[in-house]
Amino acid sequence: IAGITQAPTSQILAAGRRMTLRCTQDMRHNAMYWYRQDLGLGLRLIHYSNTAGTTGKGEVPDGYSVSRANTDDFPLTLASAVPSQTSVYFCASSEGLAGGQTQYFGPGTRLTVL
Amino acid sequence: GQNIDQPTEMTATEGAIVQINCTYQTSGFNGLFWYQQHAGEAPTFLSYNVLDGLEEKGRFSSFLSRSKGYSYLLLKELQMKDSASYLCAVEDSNYQLIWGAGTKLIIKP
Repeated sequence: IAGITQAPTSQILAAGRRMTLRCTQDMRHNAMYWYRQDLGLGLRLIHYSNTAGTTGKGEVPDGYSVSRANTDDFPLTLASAVPSQTSVYFCASSEGLAGGQTQYFGPGTRLTVL
Repeated sequence: GQNIDQPTEMTATEGAIVQINCTYQTSGFNGLFWYQQHAGEAPTFLSYNVLDGLEEKGRFSSFLSRSKGYSYLLLKELQMKDSASYLCAVEDSNYQLIWGAGTKLIIKP
């Protein structure tokens, strides 16, 4: 059982380019999340999905979009990358969106926008 | 506003005990999580508190006081592998996690 996988592991991207970060889980979890982690800041929620077919905005959604066509996959798209989107991106999942649900994290994608 | 405060960095000696504090002010409270994150890796779950008091799990314990907006993570018998960042996160009224910036723990021999 792999848990959560993310691709790519790292990427250097020119500003203005479009980029999709992939996330797949095999735990049949209903809820999935995208966070970014920047030095000196806590993890910040970008978008989330409570169940397949639904998505919601987190704390820092601008410049990002997501889709949830099925239970397993939750891709994050940067339509036109900017240098401020340089960060480490973590995908996570939990059984559901309710009290005390542990979130399980993927290994992360390190993205540099030049 | 929402605010989670933790010390930026702490240093401790192998074999000793260390307490990492977390104070919070959030819109609603549905529980508090502690996660461990080794450098360059993903966060992994350590503990969850929703009621006041101490939860013990092996060498790690976590305490919560809801009235004081305060939690701590206690690590006993420190090992070199405990060198990591420890993240405090509060589950708000929408069941979303609000994260502290993390405490980097350095263990010295």
